[in-house]
Amino acid sequence: EVQLVESGGGLVTPGGSLRLSCAASGFTFSSYSMNWVRQAPGKGLEWVSSITSSSSYIYYADSLKGRFTISRDNAKNSLFLQMNSLRVEDTAVYYCARGSKVGAGWVFDSWGQGTLVTVSS
Amino acid sequence: DIQMTQSPSSLSASVGDRVTITCQASQDISNYLNWYQQKPGKAPNLLIYDASNLETGVPSRFSGSGSGTDFVFTISSLQPEDIATYYCQQYDNLPTFGGGTKVEI
Repeated sequence: EVQLVESGGGLVTPGGSLRLSCAASGFTFSSYSMNWVRQAPGKGLEWVSSITSSSSYIYYADSLKGRFTISRDNAKNSLFLQMNSLRVEDTAVYYCARGSKVGAGWVFDSWGQGTLVTVSS
Repeated sequence: DIQMTQSPSSLSASVGDRVTITCQASQDISNYLNWYQQKPGKAPNLLIYDASNLETGVPSRFSGSGSGTDFVFTISSLQPEDIATYYCQQYDNLPTFGGGTKVEI
């Protein structure tokens, strides 16, 4: 069974940093692209970032303006999101999602339960 | 960015009703369109990929159609467990989601 478990969320002041982790199990992690998707309280889904299986290609939403960095450790079956210069508007539940083998990895076929990031003074 | 416009934003229907949600892309996205279901307090769940392909394990009352800019998601016979918010997502370019449709009974 595919499992994705996010951690690292919490309360941070504006301008601060946070590193999210996603522990994967139940599949060959190194063979799949991975993604972060966020959801602000009471709002819709927003794609944040994607990384291909071997980290060859990395993509970010334009709105992040270089503040976030996605990475992965295939030896440890883990995905990361380093978030710097956090803003109040970054407050959201952050989901880790696996990219399916169909759709060149842009079909998100498994999701974690999410971790809440709250940016507030 | 490709904008995805979903309608309606919410709807109320009865058990057994046919429910239809539309998603319009701001430009041609071929069939690069997925549909997700999100129940309250839960993570999204993939239902339909590439506009019309049913994800494994998803009940056949769910279906999708369309190509280009106009897409339709249908629940043929609404069940109580289908209460959720539904999102479309394009991936012709970097992914973007529609605003969601909240389905209530």
